[in-house]
Amino acid sequence: GAVVSQHPSWVICKSGTSVKIECRSLDFQATTMFWYRQFPKQSLMLMATSNEGSKATYEQGVEKDKFLINHASLTLSTLTVTSAHPEDSSFYICSADADMGAGQYFGPGTRLTVL
Amino acid sequence: SQQGEEDPQALSIQEGENATMNCSYKTSINNLQWYRQNSGRGLVHLILIRSNEREKHSGRLRVTLDTSKKSSSLLITASRAADTASYFCATSNDYKLSFGAGTTVTVRA
Repeated sequence: GAVVSQHPSWVICKSGTSVKIECRSLDFQATTMFWYRQFPKQSLMLMATSNEGSKATYEQGVEKDKFLINHASLTLSTLTVTSAHPEDSSFYICSADADMGAGQYFGPGTRLTVL
Repeated sequence: SQQGEEDPQALSIQEGENATMNCSYKTSINNLQWYRQNSGRGLVHLILIRSNEREKHSGRLRVTLDTSKKSSSLLITASRAADTASYFCATSNDYKLSFGAGTTVTVRA
């Protein structure tokens, strides 16, 4: 149980285009999902907290207009990287909290490469 | 957000040996969690220890928590080649996680 999927697993795009990444909780409902970014050989940095039915809460330094988050249902959150640039190339990982405070379940990640 | 520090940054051991890694954090927590990440993959939740617990076991994993020292350790006993991965501690004060820098463990066959 508690499986989280992400789609796509990897994506290559041209600079200036927008990319949408989906995060789904497959066998549980997640009121809250989280989006992280991880650069090579570094730790995960929380970008934003996605709440179903309300606006996402962004961490300091994360541009909300660039990283659009939509939590459309209790099983789906999307992250759209708008006008992507090479410095946005990273590993994006989502997680879902099945039971508040009891641990998060992570998706397999999406590797974004912006040319 | 707080971010833990992990020690060592990298660890190389022989198969069958034990691996120990430590995590220190800065502020009060509700719980501390350990995750494993294989190269280029997502995170796998290993174990959660609450702030009122001192030790927890799960299979070959043993986690300790010392809230007075704001530190935790993860011990992997009888390591296997499949244990090769990066290990991260993450602290939770509210419902958000703050990750440490990670320890890269290499288990040599």
